Amino acid sequence: DQQVKQNSPSLSVQEGRISILNCDYTNSMFDYFLWYKKYPAEGPTFLISISSIKDKNEDGRFTVFLNKSAKHLSLHIVPSQPGDSAVYFCAASVTGNTPLVFGKGTRLSVIA
Amino acid sequence: GAVVSQHPSRVICKSGTSVKIECRSLDFQATTMFWYRQFPKQSLMLMATSNEGSKATYEQGVEKDKFLINHASLTLSTLTVTSAHPEDSSFYICSARDLTGPYEQYFGPGTRLTVT
Repeated sequence: DQQVKQNSPSLSVQEGRISILNCDYTNSMFDYFLWYKKYPAEGPTFLISISSIKDKNEDGRFTVFLNKSAKHLSLHIVPSQPGDSAVYFCAASVTGNTPLVFGKGTRLSVIA
Repeated sequence: GAVVSQHPSRVICKSGTSVKIECRSLDFQATTMFWYRQFPKQSLMLMATSNEGSKATYEQGVEKDKFLINHASLTLSTLTVTSAHPEDSSFYICSARDLTGPYEQYFGPGTRLTVT
C-alpha cells in the first residue's frame, strides 16, 4: 500500500511559468512533509519542508502548500528555470526518528 | 546545508565478492542513518535504518545477512553487500538525520554498484 503518491510521473513547463507538483498521502499520522530534488546518478537534495501545523511555507521560488483535510500537498516553483529540470520526490514522516516515506517522483522538464 | 559523503561513487565487482560502501556525515552528527536502494525509474526503497551503537533495523524483504550494516560512530555508517550477485546491481544511497534539526534527512551522492 503506497502511503505517499505522486500521480503524475512527468510534467513539462515553459521557462518562466509556474510548475506545480502534486502529492497525496493516506496516513493521517504524517505530520512533516518534505520535497527533494534529484538529478540522475546523484543523491536527492532537500528543497523545502512543511510541518502539519502550517498550511504554507515559502523559500525563494519554492512554495509548499499543505491541505490536511484533503491529505494533499503541492510544490510550486515560480518562475520555472531550465535548471529546475529534475525528478522531484515528495516525502512524509511521523513525529520522531522514523524513516521518511517517499513517493515515486515526478520528472519535471522546464523548456526554454 | 549539511553534507553527506559516500564512497566509492562507482564500483564494479565480480559475482561472489563483497563490497563495502561508506557513508559519512561531514559537518554534523547523526545517530541515525538510512540506506536506500533505487532501481531505474523507481522511487527510493528504504533498506534499513542504521542506529549508532546498536543493530540496524531492516525493512521487510531485505536480507540482513546479505546487506551488513555497521554504524560505528556518529558520523560513519557502512553497508557491505556480501557475496554479490548481478541482481544486486543498483544505485545505493545513504542519508543521515541531523541530531539538532527536525526531520530533514540529508542524502549522500549515491554509489552505483555493478556486479558482473
